[in-house]
Amino acid sequence: NAGVMQNPRHLVRRRGQEARLRCSPMKGHSHVYWYRQLPEEGLKFMVYLQKENIIDESGMPKERFSAEFPKEGPSILRIQQVVRGDSAAYFCASSPRGGSDTGELFFGEGSRLTVL
Amino acid sequence: QKEVEQNSGPLSVPEGAIASLNCTYSDRGSQSFFWYRQYSGKSPELIMSIYSNGDKEDGRFTAQLNKASQYVSLLIRDSQPSDSATYLCAPGPTDKLIFGTGTRLQVFP
Repeated sequence: NAGVMQNPRHLVRRRGQEARLRCSPMKGHSHVYWYRQLPEEGLKFMVYLQKENIIDESGMPKERFSAEFPKEGPSILRIQQVVRGDSAAYFCASSPRGGSDTGELFFGEGSRLTVL
Repeated sequence: QKEVEQNSGPLSVPEGAIASLNCTYSDRGSQSFFWYRQYSGKSPELIMSIYSNGDKEDGRFTAQLNKASQYVSLLIRDSQPSDSATYLCAPGPTDKLIFGTGTRLQVFP
């Protein structure tokens, strides 16, 4: 059973470009979470999605960031017009259960975004 | 939303000693806690969960929950250099885990 798959593992973008990060959850998991980790900082919640629905996006910056989890295909975290402050590791996690029963998350290896 | 506080460390302990990692919380609605370990440059992984007051042991790891004091801890017995990592605490029940800043543990030979 493959784990959570994230790609690309490393992404370099110039300021003003767009970054697209993809996440395929573990088989049978319908709950997907995105977290951001700035260098030497903690893991910050960004968004929680189920298939075709955004459940909680309270951690998403108000501008330039968006996320989706379509009926078919991976979840996508999209960052438009990237700035240097967006340089970070972006982790995706999945869970077979959501709601108030969320506890065990399975993390992908992360996508490391560098903005030049 | 439920939040926790952790000392960022680093906590340095000699090999073979007991490492004690602590997490405090303010929301009395927090009933369960989850400890994740994150090696440098790697992704977090769940190592312990605790749902009730008292101790829960799993190998060299013991999670302790004291709801009256709003305090949860993770003890690592016979610490090994391979335990050197950042340990993250997160409370539940919740529909999304909000992690503390983590405590960096260094176990030296």
